[in-house]
Amino acid sequence: NAGVTQTPKFQVLKTGQSMTLQCAQDMNHEYMSWYRQDPGMGLRLIHYSVGAGITDQGEVPNGYNVSRSTTEDFPLRLLSAAPSQTSVYFCASSYSGPNNQPQHFGDGTRLSIL
Amino acid sequence: AQKITQTQPGMFVQEKEAVTLDCTYDTSDPSYGLFWYKQPSSGEMIFLIYQGSYDQQNATEGRYSLNFQKARKSANLVISASQLGDSAMYFCAMRENDYKLSFGAGTTVTVRA
Repeated sequence: NAGVTQTPKFQVLKTGQSMTLQCAQDMNHEYMSWYRQDPGMGLRLIHYSVGAGITDQGEVPNGYNVSRSTTEDFPLRLLSAAPSQTSVYFCASSYSGPNNQPQHFGDGTRLSIL
Repeated sequence: AQKITQTQPGMFVQEKEAVTLDCTYDTSDPSYGLFWYKQPSSGEMIFLIYQGSYDQQNATEGRYSLNFQKARKSANLVISASQLGDSAMYFCAMRENDYKLSFGAGTTVTVRA
């Protein structure tokens, strides 16, 4: 019973490098999202998807791309890493529909940009 | 405008006592959901409790209860009989009809033996 799986758990990048954070869920959830967590700011929404082929921007989308080719996977791409993107990244998923569906979170990816 | 406000950055509570974590929210949607999550030092996000905007009763889940005051737009979390394992960061969040979850800045709870 995997739930939401994020890889890698830790990553160090140099400024200007690109990389993809992976997220997969096995609960057949329609809704998936990416958040970043910075000290004192809670979690902020980067991008989200309400189903395969559908993505949209959240609160802080600049510097990130997403795609949703399958229900299970929702990768987050950093195009050209910047020190301001040093953060902890969480992927989450839930059923669409009524607002009572809690989001299930992955364990997070701790990303450092040097 | 901030959708979720948690005004207490940190709180201390004695073991076995109750603690109340404040949360106020702002929305014009008549239908919304309010959630509380716990984040221990290990970093994972753990769902604790849910309250719907149309729910007549306050939600309860074990030692967690939600004091929902709709007119005041507040959804405070009460943890009863605190345990050392309750030491963590607690986040209040709101889901509106667009499915997006808005989080507060969080409150750190430290339980003292």
